[in-house]
Amino acid sequence: DAGVIQSPRHEVTEMGQEVTLRCKPISGHNSLFWYRQTMMRGLELLIYFNNNVPIDDSGMPEDRFSAKMPNASFSTLKIQPSEPRDSAVYFCASSQQGAGNTIYFGEGSWLTVV
Amino acid sequence: AQSVTQPDIHITVSEGASLELRCNYSYGATPYLFWYVQSPGQGLQLLLKYFSGDTLVQGIKGFEAEFKRSQSSFNLRKPSVHWSDAAEYFCAVAFNDYKLSFGAGTTVTVRA
Repeated sequence: DAGVIQSPRHEVTEMGQEVTLRCKPISGHNSLFWYRQTMMRGLELLIYFNNNVPIDDSGMPEDRFSAKMPNASFSTLKIQPSEPRDSAVYFCASSQQGAGNTIYFGEGSWLTVV
Repeated sequence: AQSVTQPDIHITVSEGASLELRCNYSYGATPYLFWYVQSPGQGLQLLLKYFSGDTLVQGIKGFEAEFKRSQSSFNLRKPSVHWSDAAEYFCAVAFNDYKLSFGAGTTVTVRA
């Protein structure tokens, strides 16, 4: 079975540009997560969707960040405008609903904003 | 506040030697406990998890972890390390909800 699929794997963009990261969760999973990983802050949960509905976006750093899940098989994380401090690895992850269920991670989107 | 601590930032171990990575959590109740591994340039892969029952949990790649309620710990062990075990290891906890809280990670270097 395919795991969580993310694109692009790597992106370099200039400050001020819009960045869109994409995610396809594992089929049958109804929970989707976006995490950000940096050296300084480690792994942070940005937003959590359940059944395509955003449940917790308290980790979204500011209004420049937005996330959508138009259907069960696709989600996007958008940064507009991007800033150098947004440089990080962004992971999408999915699971079946339920506390303690295994969360499966994609391979990440490595973003560099120059 | 709920938290998870990995006291060791970096551990170097010889190939064939044993490995133990420490993890402590802070919470009133027993959480769900996980260990993930991240190889360079890769995502996180689940090694093992603990919910209840036997406090010694077996995982993939020859890893095991032991939950000790009295110490609020969930340490990861491997009896004999292989060069391919060089990676970053994350302990994570969830408290009756979906949120995984991760430790800062421990980087393992394996020397020949």
